[in-house]
Amino acid sequence: GAVVSQHPSWVICKSGTSVKIECRSLDFQATTMFWYRQFPKQSLMLMATSNEGSKATYEQGVEKDKFLINHASLTLSTLTVTSAHPEDSSFYICSAIGQGSPSYNEQFFGPGTRLTVL
Amino acid sequence: AQSVTQPDIHITVSEGASLELRCNYSYGATPYLFWYVQSPGQGLQLLLKYFSGDTLVQGIKGFEAEFKRSQSSFNLRKPSVHWSDAAEYFCAVGSGAAGNKLTFGGGTRVLVKP
Repeated sequence: GAVVSQHPSWVICKSGTSVKIECRSLDFQATTMFWYRQFPKQSLMLMATSNEGSKATYEQGVEKDKFLINHASLTLSTLTVTSAHPEDSSFYICSAIGQGSPSYNEQFFGPGTRLTVL
Repeated sequence: AQSVTQPDIHITVSEGASLELRCNYSYGATPYLFWYVQSPGQGLQLLLKYFSGDTLVQGIKGFEAEFKRSQSSFNLRKPSVHWSDAAEYFCAVGSGAAGNKLTFGGGTRVLVKP
């Protein structure tokens, strides 16, 4: 149990286009989802926290108009990178916690999405 | 603001040997501390966590960690490493409500020699 999936696993896009990444909790209801960014050979940086049905809370320095987060249901959150540029190329990881997860308050991580902007 | 330091970027260990990964944190209150493992193609997996109580924490896959407040450390150990333990390991400190907001260290890549 407690599986989090991401789609797509990798995506290549042209500069200036927008890309949507999906994060789904497959067997529990995620009241809270987190989005992280991981640069090559570096650590994960929290970008934003989203709660179902409310606006996401962004970390300092993260452009909320660039990284649109929608958490419209208890099993799905999306991250849209708008007008992507090469510097947005990175590994994006989501995690989820919520009702019914095996361990209260434990974050379950998706496998990540690698975004390459040409 | 909280921070986590993992001094070792890479560690190479022989299969069957013991392993210790260092983690130092900076946090103003009682910390929530975590160790995660990241394998290629897989999401981060929680190895163990410390919230309170016994300072020696047992986790999955034979790992344990010891919280030392005086040293602001939360080092991860395993007595005998298996080849499948080769991966990237991240220490994290949690803040906010129930420690949900994670700040990660830079990670330590573990290589296992046969």
